[in-house]
Amino acid sequence: AQSVSQHNHHVILSEAASLELGCNYSYGGTVNLFWYVQYPGQHLQLLLKYFSGDPLVKGIKGFEAEFIKSKFSFNLRKPSVQWSDTAEYFCAVNVRGSARQLTFGSGTQLTVLP
Amino acid sequence: DAGVIQSPRHEVTEMGQEVTLRCKPISGHNSLFWYRQTMMRGLELLIYFNNNVPIDDSGMPEDRFSAKMPNASFSTLKIQPSEPRDSAVYFCASSLSTANTEAFFGQGTRLTVV
Repeated sequence: AQSVSQHNHHVILSEAASLELGCNYSYGGTVNLFWYVQYPGQHLQLLLKYFSGDPLVKGIKGFEAEFIKSKFSFNLRKPSVQWSDTAEYFCAVNVRGSARQLTFGSGTQLTVLP
Repeated sequence: DAGVIQSPRHEVTEMGQEVTLRCKPISGHNSLFWYRQTMMRGLELLIYFNNNVPIDDSGMPEDRFSAKMPNASFSTLKIQPSEPRDSAVYFCASSLSTANTEAFFGQGTRLTVV
């Protein structure tokens, strides 16, 4: 079965700082990769996704992620964070060509200080 | 489309009572997922359906939990009897069961069992 690791549990940044959140997955086959964001008290919303093609994926709100197959990683980045980016971020995978259920990482709480 | 609709948004119940959570997936989506989110365990997949048929219920914690999907536009998650450790946010999500699609989440039901 696949698994997802997010090593940063809580990240605190000042506005305009650059962000990188780590995500590593464990699975021997081909996966689809996702980053979801959960603002306080809200549901999960998709930030970006990778299925195939260019390993550098751009999402909403200036976020991007890079799939590095050799490292089983899909790190999330943003060059300059804003206070409104304060939220919890979840990396997720599902297995391509098979079941569609998502396996989530434990999440990273991002706090951006104004 | 109104997105995935869950009801109720909040539920407070006494231990031992039956609780029923409801979900209406996005029209046309044929995969439906129930997740539970807690501080301790993060996001856990409880069960998922494809074309109204339960495919994997290995995440259902115990026999007190049951889920049904009588038709393509409605699903329920029932806990009977409820216990305080069932307190969590329960999310329903839906997607197309084809390659390269993401899951869309509902607003969640915050369940408190006292």
